[in-house]
Formats: sequence, C-alpha cells, structure tokens
Amino acid sequence: EAQVTQNPRYLITVTGKKLTVTCSQNMNHEYMSWYRQDPGLGLRQIYYSMNVEVTDKGDVPEGYKVSRKEKRNFPLILESPSPNQTSLYFCASSTNRLNYGYTFGSGTRLTVV
Amino acid sequence: DAKTTQPPSMDCAEGRAANLPCNHSTISGNEYVYWYRQIHSQGPQYIIHGLKNNETNEMASLIITEDRKSSTLILPHATLRDTAVYYCIVRGGSQGNLIFGKGTKLSVKP
Repeated sequence: EAQVTQNPRYLITVTGKKLTVTCSQNMNHEYMSWYRQDPGLGLRQIYYSMNVEVTDKGDVPEGYKVSRKEKRNFPLILESPSPNQTSLYFCASSTNRLNYGYTFGSGTRLTVV
Repeated sequence: DAKTTQPPSMDCAEGRAANLPCNHSTISGNEYVYWYRQIHSQGPQYIIHGLKNNETNEMASLIITEDRKSSTLILPHATLRDTAVYYCIVRGGSQGNLIFGKGTKLSVKP
C-alpha cells in the first residue's frame, strides 16, 4: 500500500532532550515536506526537500533540522526541544510535478514539557 | 502562489450535495487548484485538482470558472463521514509548495 509512515505517533519529552521524528515513503517520491499544525494557526510548512541532498526552509524552520540522505526518508530533528514546539506534526510526499497530489502521514503529536 | 478565500463554515444535510466555494482571483496561468480535506486531526487527504477544465473522480467534482478566478468542490451525496475541514489551495511556482489557509469546516448533519 502506498503510504507515508511517521513515527512515533505520540511523544512526550522534556525541554532540551534531542529527538527525531522519522518519516518514510514507499512511492519513490522526489518531494517531501514537514508541517506543523497548531490551533488557530493552521498547517505551516517547516522544511521541504525537492530530492536527495536538497533541502530548504519553509515558513517556520527555527528550532528544526532535516536531512535527506535517501529518497525514501526525511527525518525531522529537534536538537533542543522547547515547549513552543508542542504541536501536531505531519510529513508529506509527492512527485515534483505540479499536477500531482501530496500524500500525508498520520501525524505525530509531540508534547514538550 | 495565489491566495484563496473560503467561507469559514458550512452545513449540509446528509445525502444532499455539498457545494464548497473558493475564490482565487489572483491565480496565474500555470497554477493548479487543489482541494484537500482533514478529518479531525488526521493527515490531510488529497481530493482532487484541476487547471482549467472541470474534473471528476470517485470522491468529488471540481468546477472551475472560465476566468479561473473561482472554483467549487462538489460532494454529490454527502455523508456524516464527509464532516471535515476542506482546504482550497492554489499551487504553482518553482517549488509548488502547498500553502494551507484556514479552510471551510463542513458539517454534515443527519
């Protein structure tokens, strides 16, 4: 089944403790992206990647890192999480063609205390 | 990317057609109109997209006006499971990133 898999689904962590949220897709998509969703602010893009070893900032990249060493994986790294990064995170993938839809993962609900 | 305007909320009776409008008056020639929906806190789900012509798939129909300044998503026979936030997005440019607005919260009522 074609899908985007995020792990973990839920995570509670403490301020400053480095964490990684993994994202993997099995559709051979070039494009991958991370979003966060907060009440009243909607879905905002954090980082995106047009292909392997190509990443770029979205609208809210501060406090996050990403890497794209393989086509299928696009992990989101929080080097020193803070409470304002408590959010619902979504990974998405697509081809680079404009006439192709995104496939989203099921989300990761992160709480930083 | 062009900005879109959608009503914040709409109601629809179960079994009736749901018609969700979207204005995108600044759309340019190579930009596509996309529709996604998000049920509760699940990942957004792709519904349909179009450039100039009307489109139909197993989920919905997309009607784009001739001047491309607005569009309507039609769910022909809405069910309770269609209750969701529906996002109309104009996508184009060199990266073609999806920029989400606030969407329309559709409530399908028995």
